[in-house]
Order: sequence, then structure tokens, then C-alpha cells
Amino acid sequence: DAGVIQSPRHEVTEMGQEVTLRCKPISGHNSLFWYRQTMMRGLELLIYFNNNVPIDDSGMPEDRFSAKMPNASFSTLKIQPSEPRDSAVYFCAGTASHNEQFFGPGTRLTVL
Amino acid sequence: GEDVEQSLFLSVREGDSSVINCTYTDSSSTYLYWYKQEPGAGLQLLTYIFSNMDMKQDQRLTVLLNKKDKHLSLRIADTQTGDSAIYFCAESHSSYKLIFGSGTRLLVRP
Repeated sequence: DAGVIQSPRHEVTEMGQEVTLRCKPISGHNSLFWYRQTMMRGLELLIYFNNNVPIDDSGMPEDRFSAKMPNASFSTLKIQPSEPRDSAVYFCAGTASHNEQFFGPGTRLTVL
Repeated sequence: GEDVEQSLFLSVREGDSSVINCTYTDSSSTYLYWYKQEPGAGLQLLTYIFSNMDMKQDQRLTVLLNKKDKHLSLRIADTQTGDSAIYFCAESHSSYKLIFGSGTRLLVRP
């Protein structure tokens, strides 16, 4: 298995543009998480899906952020419109049990 | 609320032992974890311990848990330059949500 796949690895965009981040979890992992990592706030959980259903989205910063999981092998995190303060590394992680979350390599987002 | 705290930085000489400390506030924590993050990569689980244990050893890694003081430590024996990374402590008491510390940056000097 290739592990958790995220794309793109790097994204540079201008303020106001729409950004879509993509994640393919490891096959069989029925829980999926989106995290954001910044120097100031560390690692923050944005949203958690279980069996493709959003369970906890209390970490989503505001209405500009949305996430979907149309099937077990794909999830997106969308920011529209993007702002400079959204610049961060966004991680997707998946798990089949609570003992270990498998993280993707992350997408480094820079909003100018 | 739930909180996990770690020191920000640790520097050791190659071959010495490293001890990274963590404190947490949630007394109902069920699992405690140590993750490692190398530059440009995601977090990788190193080891975890159940809250009813006080020690776990896995090759060069030793985890100590003092539940009374809510203190967790990770000892790396014979630290190598490849161990240089950021180490995150995390705790959970639910089935999914992890609370991460801010990470300790370990620098191993040759």
C-alpha cells in the first residue's frame, strides 16, 4: 500500500481564490481526519469522518472551509475564498482503530 | 479543558540518551501516544501506552507514565542523528480524537 496520498504537495495561490486539497486514505481505514499545522497554533483537528459521514466538524475555522468524503477512498477539503491566514500545512490521516492514525505527507498551502 | 504540554527544544550529543517530557490534564485519558515528525513529512506513530500501564519498552524507546502526576516521558537510548525530528505527545479518551502537544524539537549533535 502506498500509504495516505495527498495532493497537491504544495499549493501557492492568491487571496480570494478557491483551494481544493485532496486525500486518498489507506484502503480499509474507515475513519479520516483533516488537520491543520501552523507554528502559532500547532496541530489542530479540523474535521473527522467515520464511514464517510462527518462526525465532528467543530474544528473547522469558519464557513469558508468545507470538507467532503463522497466515498471510502477519497476526501476533499475546500477553502473558498482563501485568505493569507489560511497558510499552513494541511494533513489528512486515517485509521482503522484508535491505536494509530496514519498521516499523509501533507499539503503546504501558501496564500499570498 | 484538555491540554497537553511539552518543552519546545532538546539538544543531545549522539550516543547519549534523550528524554522528552510531556504533561497532560485529562485524567480520563485512555491512550497516550508519541509521534515523530521529520522535516516535510507527516506524523508517524512511534509508540503508545494504555493508561493502566506505567512503562512500555520497544527497542531503543522507553515510555514511562506517571498517572498520578499526569506525566509521560519518552526515552531514546543511544540517540542517533537520524532521531533528529519533532516529537509530539498526544492523548485520547474517546474513540477518535487526539489532543496533541506543541511538539519537542530534538536536535542530535554529532
